[in-house]
Amino acid sequence: GAGVSQTPSNKVTEKGKYVELRCDPISGHTALYWYRQSLGQGPEFLIYFQGTGAADDSGLPNDRFFAVRPEGSVSTLKIQRTERGDSAVYLCASSPTYSSPGELFFGEGSRLTVL
Amino acid sequence: DAKTTQPPSMDCAEGRAANLPCNHSTISGNEYVYWYRQIHSQGPQYIIHGLKNNETNEMASLIITEDRKSSTLILPHATLRDTAVYYCIVPMDSSYKLIFGSGTRLLVRP
Repeated sequence: GAGVSQTPSNKVTEKGKYVELRCDPISGHTALYWYRQSLGQGPEFLIYFQGTGAADDSGLPNDRFFAVRPEGSVSTLKIQRTERGDSAVYLCASSPTYSSPGELFFGEGSRLTVL
Repeated sequence: DAKTTQPPSMDCAEGRAANLPCNHSTISGNEYVYWYRQIHSQGPQYIIHGLKNNETNEMASLIITEDRKSSTLILPHATLRDTAVYYCIVPMDSSYKLIFGSGTRLLVRP
């Protein structure tokens, strides 16, 4: 498909487990973003990649959260020792160039439930 | 980010214009106004953005006041599929980081 693809769409895990969420951005988009959305709230910024490097990871809540984008395309958000408070929809977005910084294309999200 | 203020909810009748206001009184001269919407269980969708002049595309029109302290998103003929949460965002210094607030929940009534 032509849009941003996120897998899995739903993930249920137990407290303390490790989770990986994957994002396939639109082909050719150099910028990639991760957001988190809790029920009834707007999306919350987590991290921004320009190419392979994390240009801004100021939104990651703590060191249990980590994201990579090794080849400048697919990105993986990794959550260690999950907690119930990590339950949310994790959204990925991409954009084509830095010259259009505010025009993001979002995926459908990965819903994470930590029991 | 420049603080934006939106009403928490609005409604309009199907086929009528939906006018969604946003206040951004602390906006700086080079900061753009972006609008996104989020339909239930979907990711946010970009609608439109502008700096000073009014803008129009296939989805909506954006009217920005001359002093740039407020704007209005107009959906000219709202349909039931336009029911969504609408976010007005002013990224600081037109940067990459979009900070979403609570938005306006628009309900389009049949």
